[in-house]
Amino acid sequence: NAGVTQTPKFQVLKTGQSMTLQCAQDMNHEYMSWYRQDPGMGLRLIHYSVGAGITDQGEVPNGYNVSRSTTEDFPLRLLSAAPSQTSVYFCASRPTSGEQFFGPGTRLTVL
Amino acid sequence: GEDVEQSLFLSVREGDSSVINCTYTDSSSTYLYWYKQEPGAGLQLLTYIFSNMDMKQDQRLTVLLNKKDKHLSLRIADTQTGDSAIYFCAGSDSWGKLQFGAGTQVVVTP
Repeated sequence: NAGVTQTPKFQVLKTGQSMTLQCAQDMNHEYMSWYRQDPGMGLRLIHYSVGAGITDQGEVPNGYNVSRSTTEDFPLRLLSAAPSQTSVYFCASRPTSGEQFFGPGTRLTVL
Repeated sequence: GEDVEQSLFLSVREGDSSVINCTYTDSSSTYLYWYKQEPGAGLQLLTYIFSNMDMKQDQRLTVLLNKKDKHLSLRIADTQTGDSAIYFCAGSDSWGKLQFGAGTQVVVTP
């Protein structure tokens, strides 16, 4: 199992550009979620999904969209990047109970 | 205020035990997790405990949960320099949504 994978590892955007952060898991987990980590802080939930076709907002959803067309993939879209979205983004997955694993993260800088 | 609180810093001598504490406010948390993060790296799951358990031991790690006081702790026995990192506690609801503390920086000195 590859676990939770994220691409790209690093990305630099200009203000106003759009992009998609990819997340995939091969563990057949139902629950997937996106978090952002800012310096000196814990992680904050952006969006989450409890299964294919079902998504909902977390604590800080503004400026981000998600969709979940398959169990394996949960992409995060930045519609119009802003400097406030400079952060490290982590994707996580979990079965309906138990261990929750994180991907290696995407470091995003918005200029 | 914060839903999950942790002390920010812990210094421990190599070979001693470390105890990292965490308090949480959401009594509906079903799982409580401990993660380790080294500089520039992702989050490594160390251990977790189901909310109906009081204790869980896994090699050098012991998790204690006091549901009445909403207090969670992680004890690391025989702390090594490789244990230096930031440790996060997080509570999960039944849908897998996590609430994180701000992290405890653990520094292990020789």
